[in-house]
Order: sequence, then C-alpha cells, then structure tokens
Amino acid sequence: EVQLVESGGGLVKPGGSLRLSCAASGLTLSSHNMNWVRQAPGKGLEWVSSISSSSSYINYADSVKGRFTISRDNAKNSLYLQMNSLRAEDTAVYYCARGASPTQIKPNDYWGQGTLVTVSS
Amino acid sequence: DIQMTQSPSTLSASVGDRVTITCRASQSINIWLAWYQQKPGKAPKLLIYKASSLESGVPSRFSGSGSGTEFTLTISSLQPDDFATYYCQQYDSYSGTFGQGTKVEIK
Repeated sequence: EVQLVESGGGLVKPGGSLRLSCAASGLTLSSHNMNWVRQAPGKGLEWVSSISSSSSYINYADSVKGRFTISRDNAKNSLYLQMNSLRAEDTAVYYCARGASPTQIKPNDYWGQGTLVTVSS
Repeated sequence: DIQMTQSPSTLSASVGDRVTITCRASQSINIWLAWYQQKPGKAPKLLIYKASSLESGVPSRFSGSGSGTEFTLTISSLQPDDFATYYCQQYDSYSGTFGQGTKVEIK
C-alpha cells in the first residue's frame, strides 16, 4: 500500500521559516516527479511546486518563487519543501502528491494527509 | 499562465440527478485535464485524467469529456457519497493550475 506522510507543519511568525517533509512507503520516489499542493482554510487547491525524479527540473508557482525551495532525497525516499520569508497568505494545509510524467500519465494519484502551516504573530 | 475557470461554483442537486460541471481553460491544453473529488478534512481524490480516462476504482457513473479549452465532468446518477467539492486541473509534468472548485450540495 502506498503511503505519503507529510510532517513539519506548525505555527510560525511572519518572516519565519519552516521545512516540510514528505516520507513515502510502498512507492519509490526516485522514479517519480513529485508535487506540493496547498489549500488555505476554506479555499481551493493551489499547485505550489514540482520536482522531477532526478531533481534536474524544478518549477514553482509565482506566489512562492524565490521564497520556497523544493528538494528530494531519493536515498531517504523523501520530499521536502523549505519555506522562507513566510507570509500570512501562506497559511494552508500542504499536501505532497505523486506527479505526472511521460511514463506516469496520471497526475496526483497518490496524496499525503496534509500538514497545516499557520503563519501568524 | 493558464487560467482554469469552473462553473457553477455551487450546485444543488438531489440523489439520482444527472450533474454536469464545466471547466474552461484560458488556452488550449489538449487533453491534459484531471478532475478531483474532495471531502471536508480529506485529501483530494483523483477521478479522471487525460480528460476522459477513469481512475481505477472510481464508479462508472463519473465520466469526463472535452479537449482544447472546454471540458465537462458528468455524474450520471448522483449518489449520497458524491456530495463533495470537485476541482479540475490542467497539468503537465511540472505544473498544474486548479479551477476554483464546484461544491455539490444536497437539494
């Protein structure tokens, strides 16, 4: 059974930093593109960032570009999101999900349970 | 950037109704469109990918159609478990814009 488990969320002050982790079991992350998607309280889904299986290609939403960094450690079968210069509007549940690729045509077919990030003074 | 617009934002329907949700892309996305169902407090669930391909385990009352800029999700006979919020998403290997969502409520 595939499981993605996010961790690292919590309460942080504006301007602060947080590092989210996504640990996989039943799935070899090194074979897959991966995504972070977030959802502000009571709002819709927002794609945040994507990383290719080899980390050779990375992309960010304009709303987080220059502040967030996606990375992966295939040896640890884990995905990360380093979030710096956090703002109140970054408050959301953050999900990791398996992404699409030329060999994996389904997008976001596996999701974690999400981790809540709250940015507030 | 590609923008995705869903309609309606809210839909009130009864069990057994046929329900259609529309998603429009600001430019052609070929067939690279997915549909998700989300229930409160839960992660989204993939229903449809490549505009019309049904994800494994998803009931056949769900179907998707369209290409280019206009897409639809149809539930042929609404069931009690289907009351939820539905999102479309245009996607490629390294990005994916979501629509704003359609909440399907009990009439």
